Amino acid sequence: AQTVTQSQPEMSVQEAETVTLSCTYDTSESDYYLFWYKQPPSRQMILVIRQEAYKQQNATENRFSVNFQKAAKSFSLKISDSQLGDAAMYFCAYRRAYSGGSNYKLTFGKGTLLTVNP
Amino acid sequence: NAGVTQTPKFQVLKTGQSMTLQCAQDMNHEYMSWYRQDPGMGLRLIHYSVGAGITDQGEVPNGYNVSRSTTEDFPLRLLSAAPSQTSVYFCASSYSSGGPPGETQYFGPGTRLLVL
Repeated sequence: AQTVTQSQPEMSVQEAETVTLSCTYDTSESDYYLFWYKQPPSRQMILVIRQEAYKQQNATENRFSVNFQKAAKSFSLKISDSQLGDAAMYFCAYRRAYSGGSNYKLTFGKGTLLTVNP
Repeated sequence: NAGVTQTPKFQVLKTGQSMTLQCAQDMNHEYMSWYRQDPGMGLRLIHYSVGAGITDQGEVPNGYNVSRSTTEDFPLRLLSAAPSQTSVYFCASSYSSGGPPGETQYFGPGTRLLVL
């Protein structure tokens, strides 16, 4: 079974600084997707960024980028120029890249609570 | 496009009561699922469906029932509520494919349930 581990329960960053959130995962599959979801106090789950395992290039979305190390099974999220609105719980998630209902399951880490200090 | 909607936003139940959490999506997604979120646990899959008339269990299905009579709706039923079912429940949907466009699931706003 796949597992996702977020080793940092809490992180803090100063506004305008850069912070990196860690995520490691365990799988025997060769093709899969990895995601970072943001959950602000409203509890809405918001997709931040996704990465397909077959793509070697690291995904970027504006101030958010990932460092995907497939061999090390590591998928960290870097937030540049942190803003007060980035304060939230961040979840790393894994999904197999095959068809079929059981393959669509998202496996989540336990989350990292990010605080942004003004 | 309303996306994924859930009702109610918040509900208080007494032990033993039953209720249905509603989920609807207007994106014509084949795949729909229910997760529960507990403190320190992340989100865990309860049940899922790949189309009307097809449902299956996730990793924590006990105490919950689902059915899928239409593409749009996927209600979650608590048959006899227990305090252990106090949680935040999320519905999610996506196209049904291994890769794009089905690789990303879209979440509803959640239902907070308190069982006394």
